[in-house]
Amino acid sequence: EPEVTQTPSHQVTQMGQEVILRCVPISNHLYFYWYRQILGQKVEFLVSFYNNEISEKSEIFDDQFSVERPDGSNFTLKIRSTKLEDSAMYFCASSAWRYNEQFFGPGTRLTVL
Amino acid sequence: SQQGEEDPQALSIQEGENATMNCSYKTSINNLQWYRQNSGRGLVHLILIRSNEREKHSGRLRVTLDTSKKSSSLLITASRAADTASYFCATDGRGSTLGRLYFGRGTQLTVWP
Repeated sequence: EPEVTQTPSHQVTQMGQEVILRCVPISNHLYFYWYRQILGQKVEFLVSFYNNEISEKSEIFDDQFSVERPDGSNFTLKIRSTKLEDSAMYFCASSAWRYNEQFFGPGTRLTVL
Repeated sequence: SQQGEEDPQALSIQEGENATMNCSYKTSINNLQWYRQNSGRGLVHLILIRSNEREKHSGRLRVTLDTSKKSSSLLITASRAADTASYFCATDGRGSTLGRLYFGRGTQLTVWP
């Protein structure tokens, strides 16, 4: 069964460093999302992406964040200068249509030291 | 805010018993989705119910939706120890362009053998 994959599973970085989190959505899906979950808290929406552009972003998704679909398969989230409070599990999700099921990847645990 | 909120926060039952979790939300929706998350792992999609549906089944899962009360329930019948996980409801919002999801805090279900 097709699934969303994410790499790496765990990333440790120093405060101020740039990180790129990678996702491969389900192949025929058109809508892509990033969410994050700080330990013990709710899953929070970051950004949605369709047709090679951001559709919607939350207040969390500030200028330090960017997304890109560099080729036909990958979808990346870049954090330019990480802060301690960026430590969280980051989930990529994809959907075949905008109000259909969103399927989530296994997540990347980001630890900022 | 839009967020769904699950009730109870924690539920502890014996194998073979049924587990019922509830979700309430605040604004109108296109659909509501239920997810499962094992500790520290990814979100597994369980079921999607649209705003014009009242009940949906998938295997041992039964989901109901009452849009007049802005609430949903997830019933797991004949529970197993492997059902132990956190369960989240996620709602979209009619104003959302690509169906960004709002998650509740989840119900932690423990099923004892």
